Amino acid sequence: GENVEQHPSTLSVQEGDSAVIKCTYSDSASNYFPWYKQELGKGPQLIIDIRSNVGEKKDQRIAVTLNKTAKHFSLHITETQPEDSAVYFCAAIRSNFGNEKLTFGTGTRLTIIP
Amino acid sequence: DAMVIQNPRYQVTQFGKPVTLSCSQTLNHNVMYWYQQKSSQAPKLLFHYYDKDFNNEADTPDNFQSRRPNTSFCFLDIRSPGLGDAAMYLCATSRDKGDTQYFGPGTRLTVL
Repeated sequence: GENVEQHPSTLSVQEGDSAVIKCTYSDSASNYFPWYKQELGKGPQLIIDIRSNVGEKKDQRIAVTLNKTAKHFSLHITETQPEDSAVYFCAAIRSNFGNEKLTFGTGTRLTIIP
Repeated sequence: DAMVIQNPRYQVTQFGKPVTLSCSQTLNHNVMYWYQQKSSQAPKLLFHYYDKDFNNEADTPDNFQSRRPNTSFCFLDIRSPGLGDAAMYLCATSRDKGDTQYFGPGTRLTVL
């Protein structure tokens, strides 16, 4: 089955600086990679996703890059703000294969220091 | 706004006393999922429904059951909660298998 590793487990960044979270996956057939943000006491919220036919996707201050050859993908947050503080999960799935389930990384606790 | 709703947000039950958690969706999605999330861990899939077809994960204890009476609603039943079942329970939906999953706010279950 798929295995997703996520690093770092905790990350502290000065407000205004950039944050980068990295994930690697094991199944070369995985083709859909969402990122979720989870605030304390709330459910995960989809913030950005990327499919395997694209190398990079950007949405305002958030971007995701994908390297299929190396089987890794990264979340980039620029101009960080206090409200970016949360736990971030990467995930991977073979979206064309029926009962394949979403495999999550172990999460990164991001703290933005004012 | 179309969304995934979970009730209650907080549930307290006693050891061994059955409890039911509720999820509803206005997205008209075919697939509904139940996840268990313990502190500082990633969500763990318990089971999912594709329309009326129930799919149980191999390592989901028999103590956990689910019902989906219609497209909009899905229930998680814990027949005899143990202390180890205290967790956040998350409902999610997707339009089809393998599509983007959208999560509800979760129900925090406490077992006394």
